[in-house]
Amino acid sequence: KAGVTQTPRYLIKTRGQQVTLSCSPISGHRSVSWYQQTPGQGLQFLFEYFSETQRNKGNFPGRFSGRQFSNSRSEMNVSTLELGDSALYLCASTSQLTADNEQYFGPGTRLTVT
Amino acid sequence: GENVEQHPSTLSVQEGDSAVIKCTYSDSASNYFPWYKQELGKGPQLIIDIRSNVGEKKDQRIAVTLNKTAKHFSLHITETQPEDSAVYFCAASNMVQGAQKLVFGQGTRLTINP
Repeated sequence: KAGVTQTPRYLIKTRGQQVTLSCSPISGHRSVSWYQQTPGQGLQFLFEYFSETQRNKGNFPGRFSGRQFSNSRSEMNVSTLELGDSALYLCASTSQLTADNEQYFGPGTRLTVT
Repeated sequence: GENVEQHPSTLSVQEGDSAVIKCTYSDSASNYFPWYKQELGKGPQLIIDIRSNVGEKKDQRIAVTLNKTAKHFSLHITETQPEDSAVYFCAASNMVQGAQKLVFGQGTRLTINP
């Protein structure tokens, strides 16, 4: 079974631009969570989607948004990019069909804002 | 909200020796505690997890212990090998109604010296 895939793997953007990142969960997984990883703040939860609905949200400004499609694929968008948004953005998927809580991470998208 | 503290931040051990990483959490409602291993250029990989109704779990050379009263949990790696070198993260979550939100520790960089 293929793992979580994220595209693109690397991205360079300029301050003020917006960016869209994509995540395809493991086949059959219905929950997708997004995290931001930086050297200073570590791994921080952004939001989680289940059945196309945002079920949980972290403490990030409204510039960070996301959505989930009927096939469970998810996208996150960051508008009006700031230098501090440079980070590794990770998505993780969970089955949710059983009581299992395991989150499986993709390789991440490395975003650099200049 | 939940806060997870992880120690030490760096750990260096001789090949074949044991390594122990400790985490404390603040929210007594947390009931799920996974450990992840992250190698350079990759996303975090789930290596073991434990739920609040269990005190200890073992998988080959890896074991995790949980003390709910003291609100701390630990990762034990025995017979360490060079491929165990990586950054390890602990996390905690309150899996209410299946919602996924992991709060991570700051990570431990483990180096295995041959």
